[in-house]
Amino acid sequence: DVKVTQSSRYLVKRTGEKVFLECVQDMDHENMFWYRQDPGLGLRLIYFSYDVKMKEKGDIPEGYSVSREKKERFSLILESASTNQTSMYLCASKLRDRIYSGANVLTFGAGSRLTVL
Amino acid sequence: AQTVTQSQPEMSVQEAETVTLSCTYDTSENNYYLFWYKQPPSRQMILVIRQEAYKQQNATENRFSVNFQKAAKSFSLKISDSQLGDTAMYFCAFTSLEYGNKLVFGAGTILRVKS
Repeated sequence: DVKVTQSSRYLVKRTGEKVFLECVQDMDHENMFWYRQDPGLGLRLIYFSYDVKMKEKGDIPEGYSVSREKKERFSLILESASTNQTSMYLCASKLRDRIYSGANVLTFGAGSRLTVL
Repeated sequence: AQTVTQSQPEMSVQEAETVTLSCTYDTSENNYYLFWYKQPPSRQMILVIRQEAYKQQNATENRFSVNFQKAAKSFSLKISDSQLGDTAMYFCAFTSLEYGNKLVFGAGTILRVKS
């Protein structure tokens, strides 16, 4: 059974702390994503990685950075956590889309609920 | 930019009845893909159904079907014979090969199935 595993389901951090959210997938997927989920706003893309050491900003990258040193692992980093970063964070992965196969399906992790006090 | 709009924040339906969730999108592209994802209260997001824009036939997966109106840029999800396990947040999503492997999601619709 294919899996995307997020290291923490619940985290509570203080303003100004550095926060690491880890995501690991075992499907050999090229693409990995970090989304933020907020009520009424749906899922918004923070960062996207299409290969090892490659990354691309999503719609709301401010205050976040990412790291992808290995194909299976994609980390989201909050350099200095703020209260407005309290949210649900979802990691997802998929195979790279190709013309002959069309758009592939995202596989999601269970999510990480971050509270910043 | 691509946008996805779900105009129904919440809906409810009686068990065994049929419900339709609405989704509209905006794009200038001709070849793209649309998805419905389901997020049950346990929060693991899973795919419900997928539609390829170049296919005129509406996608169907058991009790789930879509009404894809390309000209109107509408992509609604119909759930027949609703079950308690269908209670979840449903997200409509859009992607295209030109959009670089990324998905754009709507705000979501909370569906409650009542017994």
